[in-house]
Amino acid sequence: ETGVTQTPRHLVMGMTNKKSLKCEQHLGHNAMYWYKQSAKKPLELMFVYSLEERVENNSVPSRFSPECPNSSHLFLHLHTLQPEDSALYLCASSQGLAGVETQYFGPGTRLLVL
Amino acid sequence: GENVEQHPSTLSVQEGDSAVIKCTYSDSASNYFPWYKQELGKGPQLIIDIRSNVGEKKDQRIAVTLNKTAKHFSLHITETQPEDSAVYFCAASMETSGTYKYIFGTGTRLKVLA
Repeated sequence: ETGVTQTPRHLVMGMTNKKSLKCEQHLGHNAMYWYKQSAKKPLELMFVYSLEERVENNSVPSRFSPECPNSSHLFLHLHTLQPEDSALYLCASSQGLAGVETQYFGPGTRLLVL
Repeated sequence: GENVEQHPSTLSVQEGDSAVIKCTYSDSASNYFPWYKQELGKGPQLIIDIRSNVGEKKDQRIAVTLNKTAKHFSLHITETQPEDSAVYFCAASMETSGTYKYIFGTGTRLKVLA
């Protein structure tokens, strides 16, 4: 257990559906991240929050909408996704934003868009 | 843009043998290099890291070496065991306050054959 939980673990959705991914960290960290992991590609950073403020939106399409209501919770709202959005979505947290902070990852949500 | 190349993409070794994974980074300002291990069904977890003021770091069967001039760093696993089977990711970052981006490699799938 890394102290970062994600739900659901698996999700199948149609292109017209709306769903949300949830991440919770129990580590008292101040920064949280969403990554997209696709086969044979580097992890792609999507969003970064520090103390509940978004500090990075890495050119992510608007069909992905993050929400960080407090420093322990992070959501990724999904709507009108495309099949190429199928991937493993990983949440991570770190104590602060410095580049040397260890990032603690959750187990991910495996998303399939039909 | 900044990138990290990682080789090989897959690696099979006999139990007890050594495994070496190599990464090359492009941004000469990078000075922090973590390695993450991702087991099936789990998120990546930090296993070892190295800063640019150190050429080598060892932790039991795992070691990392860094050549800043060549912009290369490598992960060495000795006396491999079946539980070492996983996907390993290298990353490069900068030890600067407010800098949080890890540039990840594409991963190496290590299989340790019993």
